[in-house]
Amino acid sequence: AQKITQTQPGMFVQEKEAVTLDCTYDTSDQSYGLFWYKQPSSGEMIFLIYQGSYDEQNATEGRYSLNFQKARKSANLVISASQLGDSAMYFCAMREDHFDNYGQNFVFGPGTRLSVLP
Amino acid sequence: NAGVTQTPKFQVLKTGQSMTLQCAQDMNHEYMSWYRQDPGMGLRLIHYSVGAGITDQGEVPNGYNVSRSTTEDFPLRLLSAAPSQTSVYFCASSFQMGGREAFFGQGTRLTVV
Repeated sequence: AQKITQTQPGMFVQEKEAVTLDCTYDTSDQSYGLFWYKQPSSGEMIFLIYQGSYDEQNATEGRYSLNFQKARKSANLVISASQLGDSAMYFCAMREDHFDNYGQNFVFGPGTRLSVLP
Repeated sequence: NAGVTQTPKFQVLKTGQSMTLQCAQDMNHEYMSWYRQDPGMGLRLIHYSVGAGITDQGEVPNGYNVSRSTTEDFPLRLLSAAPSQTSVYFCASSFQMGGREAFFGQGTRLTVV
């Protein structure tokens, strides 16, 4: 079964507007982390934001915020004031904290391609 | 601080050839891993290592071998390349425990013809 679901293959947003990228996850673990990575056309994976399963506050990093709804198993990324440079693939990922792999194995979603329009 | 370095960046192989993708990190991370990225599927874990001398399989290990003789290096070996192994490969490293994010290399684009 899919552990990470990103239902939006592609999204468009006007420059300077906010956009929400959806992510739902599936786990029976109590301890896990949720991540968003950005992949521009150059191909590298850029870490954006992290949310721990026990964190009560939604994570924020500059223009990025993570809307964490634990009961719904949802971890949506909100980008405020979109810029042309935000055009990229965005991946949601989960890390289940298992002792045997030091809790470092990631499961990635299929990604959402965001296009920012001038 | 170089971070995670992957070589080569691009490679074309013929079916049946073997090769090694190199990965090195200079952050003294215990944990290293290899992922492959295919269109529409995100990244999938191939193999990982929690320290020198310790490796284990991920989700898609068939056709790949790894070893970890030092903390810094984690090479990925394709023993007999197949067209199904055409993909982009990422190496990642992170702290043993408590690390928030994984640090990724720049990726290796491999084409098997």
